[in-house]
Amino acid sequence: EVQLVESGGGLVQPGGSLRLTCVVSGFTFSDHAMNWVRQAPGKGLEWVSSISSSSNYIYYAASVKGRFTISRDNAKNSLYLQMSGLRVEDTAVYYCARYGSSWADPNFFDYWGQGTLVTVSS
Amino acid sequence: EIVLTQSPGTLSLSPGERATLSCRASQSVRDHLGWYQQKPGQAPRLVIYDASNRANGIPARFSGSGSGTDFTLTITSLEPEDFAIYYCQQRSTWPVTFGQGTRLDI
Repeated sequence: EVQLVESGGGLVQPGGSLRLTCVVSGFTFSDHAMNWVRQAPGKGLEWVSSISSSSNYIYYAASVKGRFTISRDNAKNSLYLQMSGLRVEDTAVYYCARYGSSWADPNFFDYWGQGTLVTVSS
Repeated sequence: EIVLTQSPGTLSLSPGERATLSCRASQSVRDHLGWYQQKPGQAPRLVIYDASNRANGIPARFSGSGSGTDFTLTITSLEPEDFAIYYCQQRSTWPVTFGQGTRLDI
């Protein structure tokens, strides 16, 4: 069974930092590109970042570029999102989501984690 | 950035009825459009990919159609578990974008 489990969310002050982790199981992690997608409370979905299977290709949404860093450790079946310079508007549930292929080019998200809530507030 | 506009915002139907949800793109996305279902407190679930292909485990009552800028998700004979929010998403052009969602209510 494919599973993606996020952790690391919480309350942080504006300007602060947070690191999210997604641990996966049930599939060969190193064969798939991975993503972070977020959803502000009561709002729609927003793609945040993508990383190819071997970390060769990385992409960010304009809203987070320069502040967030995506990375992965294929030996640990883990995906990360290092967030810094956090803003109130970054408040959202952050989902880890899998692409069906190894490429980080735009694709569909075929499996999702349950999400972790990040709240940016003073 | 491609803007996806979904209509209606809310669709109120009863079990057994047919649901038709629309998604319009601000420019052509060819057939590179998908649909997701999201229930309260849950992650989205891929329903349709590349306009008309059902994802793994999706019942045959779900179907997708369209190409270019106009797309439709049809659910024939609604089941109670189908009531949720549905989002469309395009993978044609950077960045990936989503529609604002259609709430399917009983």
